[in-house]
Amino acid sequence: DVKVTQSSRYLVKRTGEKVFLECVQDMDHENMFWYRQDPGLGLRLIYFSYDVKMKEKGDIPEGYSVSREKKERFSLILESASTNQTSMYLCASSFRENQPQHFGDGTRLSIL
Amino acid sequence: GEDVEQSLFLSVREGDSSVINCTYTDSSSTYLYWYKQEPGAGLQLLTYIFSNMDMKQDQRLTVLLNKKDKHLSLRIADTQTGDSAIYFCAEMGDTGRRALTFGSGTRLQVQP
Repeated sequence: DVKVTQSSRYLVKRTGEKVFLECVQDMDHENMFWYRQDPGLGLRLIYFSYDVKMKEKGDIPEGYSVSREKKERFSLILESASTNQTSMYLCASSFRENQPQHFGDGTRLSIL
Repeated sequence: GEDVEQSLFLSVREGDSSVINCTYTDSSSTYLYWYKQEPGAGLQLLTYIFSNMDMKQDQRLTVLLNKKDKHLSLRIADTQTGDSAIYFCAEMGDTGRRALTFGSGTRLQVQP
């Protein structure tokens, strides 16, 4: 079974802090994704990566950056956290383009 | 851009069939997916269908695709209380965008 692991289930941070969310997959997948989920809005794509050191902006990249130094790990960075970034963050990976995406359990992030 | 729409809520009695509907706008959609999300958890891939198919069955799940009307449905036979969750429809087009476009989710409530 594919395993996508997010480092924290719940996280509380303060406004202005630099926040790191980590995601690891164990199936040698090429593609990795970060989404945020808000009530009534479904999932919205923040960034994705199709190879080590490669990244592409999604629909809502503002206020976020990402890092993919190793194939199995994809990090989401909030450079200076703000209260409107309070949300559920979901990481996903897929083997290749058009292959199903597999999701982690999510990190519920609260910015106070 | 692409859009995926779902009704927000469906309530059924245990043992009945559930039908969750989804419409999408991207005529280049290649794959269409159904995911299930239980409270506090990530998304679990239920099933997916390629756009050149019109039906796919997997145990209690039946997916119907009407490509002309851009309409996708998920039928759950003999619905159980454990099926209570949010169900997301998602599509991937062939535009080179590797990420999914999600609907806002349908909350299925199964009454005993």
